[in-house]
Amino acid sequence: GDSVTQMEGPVTLSEEAFLTINCTYTATGYPSLFWYVQYPGEGLQLLLKATKADDKGSNKGFEATYRKETTSFHLEKGSVQVSDSAVYFCARDYGGSQGNLIFGKGTKLSVKP
Amino acid sequence: SQTIHQWPATLVQPVGSPLSLECTVEGTSNPNLYWYRQAAGRGLQLLFYSVGIGQISSEVPQNLSASRPQDRQFILSSKKLLLSDSGFYLCAWSAPNTEAFFGQGTRLTVV
Repeated sequence: GDSVTQMEGPVTLSEEAFLTINCTYTATGYPSLFWYVQYPGEGLQLLLKATKADDKGSNKGFEATYRKETTSFHLEKGSVQVSDSAVYFCARDYGGSQGNLIFGKGTKLSVKP
Repeated sequence: SQTIHQWPATLVQPVGSPLSLECTVEGTSNPNLYWYRQAAGRGLQLLFYSVGIGQISSEVPQNLSASRPQDRQFILSSKKLLLSDSGFYLCAWSAPNTEAFFGQGTRLTVV
């Protein structure tokens, strides 16, 4: 069935380091792709999304490009901050609704000063 | 602007007791509504979704049920909780062709 696979954590980086979190998906058709972020003790917040191939989503210095040829949606940030410490979830939609989501297992990021 | 409210934030319940979690959305009409669960070691999973009053779709068989008595109210229930029902429950809403917006979640511990 359809699934989302993202790199296992935890990931620990120093402040101002470059971040990449890999995400690949399986799909029939062309899903919309998302990155959600969960700060400690909170619900999920949408970080960015892309709805079609070659779209680039961006927000707060984070970027991800929808790559149909590699079925990937890797998350990147050029210079992470301590405040970026959180759990990051890659997701794809299904059933024609952007709320029906299949999530990856999440990647915990810790940024040290 | 739209807001989503979910309560309680934390809940500790004994095995066999009933459960009722409530979620309401403000600032929009006829939203799609969702219940997700984040269980330890299992990631986030869609439990139920609703496209209208009284219309509930279940994604996984389980000990839980959902109801939508009003347009912007979504309730997650159980008659008898199991230990395996412990987890972090998230309510979400979306409009047609928009992304999902999540509530703050309820941490349920069944003891």
